[in-house]
Amino acid sequence: EDQVTQSPEALRLQEGESSSLNCSYTVSGLRGLFWYRQDPGKGPEFLFTLYSAGEEKEKERLKATLTKKESFLHITAPKPEDSATYLCAVQGLLGGSEKLVFGKGTKLTVNP
Amino acid sequence: EPEVTQTPSHQVTQMGQEVILRCVPISNHLYFYWYRQILGQKVEFLVSFYNNEISEKSEIFDDQFSVERPDGSNFTLKIRSTKLEDSAMYFCASIPQGAAYEQYFGPGTRLTVT
Repeated sequence: EDQVTQSPEALRLQEGESSSLNCSYTVSGLRGLFWYRQDPGKGPEFLFTLYSAGEEKEKERLKATLTKKESFLHITAPKPEDSATYLCAVQGLLGGSEKLVFGKGTKLTVNP
Repeated sequence: EPEVTQTPSHQVTQMGQEVILRCVPISNHLYFYWYRQILGQKVEFLVSFYNNEISEKSEIFDDQFSVERPDGSNFTLKIRSTKLEDSAMYFCASIPQGAAYEQYFGPGTRLTVT
């Protein structure tokens, strides 16, 4: 069964203090690993898809990387508006499944 | 940029009642999904829908649940007889035609069963 574990559960940073969020996964063949941002009471907002180990993607202050067992979301010089829960999800290749399997997320708080 | 929309934003219902949650996917999208998120828990897959048929469903999606696309635009999730444990945020998602695998989520419907 595909599984996703995210750490830490919560992270509090000062504005400008860079850090990384971790997503460990087990999947029977990886079709894609997805990062989403979720604000309170809202739906997940798509950020990145990574398909193979070694791949990296960037968007503003965010950079996502992928290995065969985990993905990191690096946040460089965060601002208070980056405060949100960041969700990691995987989609496996087994049986042509389309479902996303999510982790519990990392709640990021950036203090001014 | 077009967005997935969902109605209502909040639905309160009594246990045993039927509810219908509605989603309007982005117009050229072909693959549709429902997920739910119980407060404080993970987002969980319920069902996927393509070409007017269910293509995959989870163990959660039992006989109490059904989906349809009645008019070619709206995509609905029906819960026949709600239970207290059905209280959750329900999200609709879709994938554009020709895109890879990114699922774009709607804002969600908060269902409260009393």
